[in-house]
Amino acid sequence: SAVISQKPSRDICQRGTSLTIQCQVDSQVTMMFWYRQQPGQSLTLIATANQGSEATYESGFVIDKFPISRPNLTFSTLTVSNMSPEDSSIYLCSVVEGGPSYNEQFFGPGTRLTVL
Amino acid sequence: GQNIDQPTEMTATEGAIVQINCTYQTSGFNGLFWYQQHAGEAPTFLSYNVLDGLEEKGRFSSFLSRSKGYSYLLLKELQMKDSASYLCAVLDSNYQLIWGAGTKLIIKP
Repeated sequence: SAVISQKPSRDICQRGTSLTIQCQVDSQVTMMFWYRQQPGQSLTLIATANQGSEATYESGFVIDKFPISRPNLTFSTLTVSNMSPEDSSIYLCSVVEGGPSYNEQFFGPGTRLTVL
Repeated sequence: GQNIDQPTEMTATEGAIVQINCTYQTSGFNGLFWYQQHAGEAPTFLSYNVLDGLEEKGRFSSFLSRSKGYSYLLLKELQMKDSASYLCAVLDSNYQLIWGAGTKLIIKP
């Protein structure tokens, strides 16, 4: 199974600043996703990170607020821009192995973000 | 709309068996996942069902009935470390994962 690392593991940020979260996978994967999980809630998909092209965003999420890069098949970044306390959450990178068969999805350890 | 329902919280006793149910209404179906998530940690994959029937993996089993839009996760010989949230998620016709809110399982000695 894919091994996923995320940096930073946690951060405390000031309102109005931006934070970039990195996701590194130890193998080439087709599908990479970014999720958010607010305290006590289930996971919410932010976007699908597409290699070499713009990310595909879910309803309620926009590129200006959550710009995503994916320069290759093993790495992606998510930026949380102009942060507010409502952005306090755990941000999770996720990958799917085996192409579109979707029979296993793995998650990174998450980045715990607190915005003051 | 798309909907995944599972109980918010369940309590069980160490050594016992517990069944966590999940019902779903989605636009198409390409499989159902169960994940375990300990507090403060990322979800970890438990099972994937795409055909009807029971899949067994050690102490954990997962069942699917597509005609009923229903799945359950069965945990046997419960251990204290099984205290966690269990998330049900369905892959719809667009290969989007629709997540349930999770069931918090509390194991008592």
